[in-house]
Amino acid sequence: DSGVTQTPKHLITATGQRVTLRCSPRSGDLSVYWYQQSLDQGLQFLIHYYNGEERAKGNILERFSAQQFPDLHSELNLSSLELGDSALYFCASSDRDSATDTQYFGPGTRLTVL
Amino acid sequence: GQQLNQSPQSMFIQEGEDVSMNCTSSSIFNTWLWYKQDPGEGPVLLIALYKAGELTSNGRLTAQFGITRKDSFLNISASIPSDVGIYFCAGRATSGTYKYIFGTGTRLKVLA
Repeated sequence: DSGVTQTPKHLITATGQRVTLRCSPRSGDLSVYWYQQSLDQGLQFLIHYYNGEERAKGNILERFSAQQFPDLHSELNLSSLELGDSALYFCASSDRDSATDTQYFGPGTRLTVL
Repeated sequence: GQQLNQSPQSMFIQEGEDVSMNCTSSSIFNTWLWYKQDPGEGPVLLIALYKAGELTSNGRLTAQFGITRKDSFLNISASIPSDVGIYFCAGRATSGTYKYIFGTGTRLKVLA
């Protein structure tokens, strides 16, 4: 158990809908990272937050947005969902915003768009 | 998106054999991480490397940070059935970004 929690574990929805994925980092970690993993694909970095502030963006679609709250949990919002958005979404956390930091992953949310 | 070249893509080995996989990049990295992912689960951190030439072990796993800083290697000795899974490398560049780039993964299957 990495100490990172994600909810829900599974999510099934229809095209055009909007969903919110939630992540709670390890106790004491200030950084949260979101990744997308499509079938048989590697991890694609979406976005990074540190202590409530956006730090870096990857290949995140405009239909997707995220935020990190004062209690350090983070939410990833996916809107106008398309079939191709079906994937595993992981968040990871780390304790510092530094070069020697390592990331610990949550169990993921499996999103299925029908 | 940008990814590292990881090889081999997949491998079947006999139980008890040693396994080697590697990750290469066109960029210089200052950190390398190795993860293992079981089906439907999140990646689990195996080894973290922070210095060129560093050799670090975690049980039967040994990883090295390449001297050129553009590659890393993971070795598994005396493989067992529970080593089955996908192994990912991740690297972070020296440009000041805190973004990790992930390899495409090596799918390992162990034959008992």
